[in-house]
Amino acid sequence: EPEVTQTPSHQVTQMGQEVILRCVPISNHLYFYWYRQILGQKVEFLVSFYNNEISEKSEIFDDQFSVERPDGSNFTLKIRSTKLEDSAMYFCASAGALEQYFGPGTRLTVT
Amino acid sequence: QKEVEQNSGPLSVPEGAIASLNCTYSDRGSQSFFWYRQYSGKSPELIMSIYSNGDKEDGRFTAQLNKASQYVSLLIRDSQPSDSATYLCAVRGITSGTYKYIFGTGTRLKVLA
Repeated sequence: EPEVTQTPSHQVTQMGQEVILRCVPISNHLYFYWYRQILGQKVEFLVSFYNNEISEKSEIFDDQFSVERPDGSNFTLKIRSTKLEDSAMYFCASAGALEQYFGPGTRLTVT
Repeated sequence: QKEVEQNSGPLSVPEGAIASLNCTYSDRGSQSFFWYRQYSGKSPELIMSIYSNGDKEDGRFTAQLNKASQYVSLLIRDSQPSDSATYLCAVRGITSGTYKYIFGTGTRLKVLA
């Protein structure tokens, strides 16, 4: 069964460093999303991506964040200069005509 | 602002009982509704989708939709301790030409053995 994959599963980085989180969406899906979940809190929408461009972004998705679909299969989230408060689980999701599926997530720890 | 509301719980039910999880949404034009299950430390897993008024059954799960009341529910029959998780309600809308999934805060379910 097709699934969304994410790498790495866990990333530890120092404050101020850049990180790139990678996702491979389900192959025939057209809509791509990044979400964040701080420990013990709700799933928060970051950004949606369709037709090779950002379709919507939340207030959280400031200039420190960027997304790319560099090669038609991977979908990446870059955080340019990480802050302590960026520590969270980051989930990639993809959707076809109806249903949205999540990847397993990347746990980002900023020290 | 479009919202999805859920009681955060915890909802505690004894093993073998029916667990009833509820969700209300604000956008009357919404057409697609989803239930996700999230175990602690894991990603949300899609367990049910419903698009028409009425009931939809899948194994021990039944989703119920009432668009007039803007209400979605999930029933879990014969609840098992392994059903203990947070259940997220999501409503799909269209914004900026793409689909947006709006999530509730989730209801934590505890099934007591």
